[in-house]
Amino acid sequence: TQLLEQSPQFLSIQEGENLTVYCNSSSVFSSLQWYRQEPGEGPVLLVTVVTGGEVKKLKRLTFQFGDARKDSSLHITAAQPGDTGLYLCAGDSGGYNKLIFGAGTRLAVHP
Amino acid sequence: EAGVAQSPRYKIIEKRQSVAFWCNPISGHATLYWYQQILGQGPKLLIQFQNNGVVDDSQLPKDRFSAERLKGVDSTLKIQPAKLEDSAVYLCASSLRGGSAGEQFFGPGTRLTVL
Repeated sequence: TQLLEQSPQFLSIQEGENLTVYCNSSSVFSSLQWYRQEPGEGPVLLVTVVTGGEVKKLKRLTFQFGDARKDSSLHITAAQPGDTGLYLCAGDSGGYNKLIFGAGTRLAVHP
Repeated sequence: EAGVAQSPRYKIIEKRQSVAFWCNPISGHATLYWYQQILGQGPKLLIQFQNNGVVDDSQLPKDRFSAERLKGVDSTLKIQPAKLEDSAVYLCASSLRGGSAGEQFFGPGTRLTVL
C-alpha cells in the first residue's frame, strides 16, 4: 500500500516567520501535487512537480520534489495570516491521475 | 467559469438509513472523482469515472456504496445502509482528462453525519 506521510501535523506560527512542511513516502511517484484546503471548501491545487529535483516557486512558496521522486517539501517565506489552511500533498503513482493524499499539515499563522 | 457543484452541503441521518449525493462537474471535463475525507485525514479516492465508464472503484465499499454517471456528466453517490464510520466529507472533483499530473478541481463537499 502506498502511503504519503506529512509532517508536522500541526504548525502554529507568528506572521513573518518561515516554515517548511514535508511529504515523504517509500514509493516513487510519477508526479506530486500540493493542495491547500480551507474550512468548508474543497482542496485547491497550488503546484504540480513531475521531475526529480525540480524546484518551483509560487510567490512566497517554494516547492521541491526529491531526486528519487519519493518526497517533497513546501517552504513558505514570511508567512501571512492568509496562508492559514490545511496543506495536502498528493502523489500520482500510476500515471492515470489516481491521487493518493497525505493526511495534511494544518497551518495557523497568527497576526 | 462555474466550478464543481455539489448538493446537499450538509446531511444528517441515522445509521441504517440511505443517503445520496449529487455532483455536477465543470463543463467539458471527462473525468470525475468521488473522494471520502474523514476528519483529520486526507481525501481517499472512492471511484473514478472517465466519461460514463468506471476507471477505478477499488476502494469503494461496494456492499453499501454505489455511484453512477449517466450520460457522462452529472454523478450521484449513494450509501445504503449508512454506518457510523461513514461520517465524513464527500468531495467530488473533475479534470479535463485522466492523464498524469492533470489538475483536479474540487467541489465544496457534502458533510455527512451519521448518528
